Amino acid sequence: GENVEQHPSTLSVQEGDSAVIKCTYSDSASNYFPWYKQELGKRPQLIIDIRSNVGEKKDQRIAVTLNKTAKHFSLHITETQPEDSAVYFCAASSDRGSTLGRLYFGRGTQLTVWP
Amino acid sequence: DTEVTQTPKHLVMGMTNKKSLKCEQHMGHRAMYWYKQKAKKPPELMFVYSYEKLSINESVPSRFSPECPNSSLLNLHLHALQPEDSALYLCASSQSAGSIHTIYFGEGSWLTVV
Repeated sequence: GENVEQHPSTLSVQEGDSAVIKCTYSDSASNYFPWYKQELGKRPQLIIDIRSNVGEKKDQRIAVTLNKTAKHFSLHITETQPEDSAVYFCAASSDRGSTLGRLYFGRGTQLTVWP
Repeated sequence: DTEVTQTPKHLVMGMTNKKSLKCEQHMGHRAMYWYKQKAKKPPELMFVYSYEKLSINESVPSRFSPECPNSSLLNLHLHALQPEDSALYLCASSQSAGSIHTIYFGEGSWLTVV
């Protein structure tokens, strides 16, 4: 099956700085990569996703990049704010084969933004 | 509306009790999921229903029994649980499990087994 590695496990930044979280995946069949933000005691919420036919996607302060050759994808948050503090999970999925219907998560990154 | 509703939000049960978790979505999604999440860990897939049929069971112990009465509802029946089953149980849905669609999570049910 798929194996998703996520780094770093914790990340502390000053308000206004940028934050970058990186993930690698093992299955070349994976073609969908969502990012979820989970605040303490809340549900995981999708913040951005990218499909394998796209190299980069932006939504305001958030961007995701995908390198299919190297099998890695990254989340970039610019101008961080205290409300960005949460656990961020990357994930990988495929629309074919034995991984169909499964979302493989990374271990998560605890992001803390200091005012 | 991207709402997946779960009840109850909190549940405390003894090891001999029988209880159920309920999940509802009205987005017309045909795939529904149960995930289990322990503190500081990612969600772990338990079950996937596709078009009201169980398509994936991730070797979950039989003390957890899923049920999909119709395309909008998903239940998780709990019986003879162990304290280590205490966790956040997340229901989720997506348009279908046959291709790539965004998975939306409910708020979750916090389960404590005493």
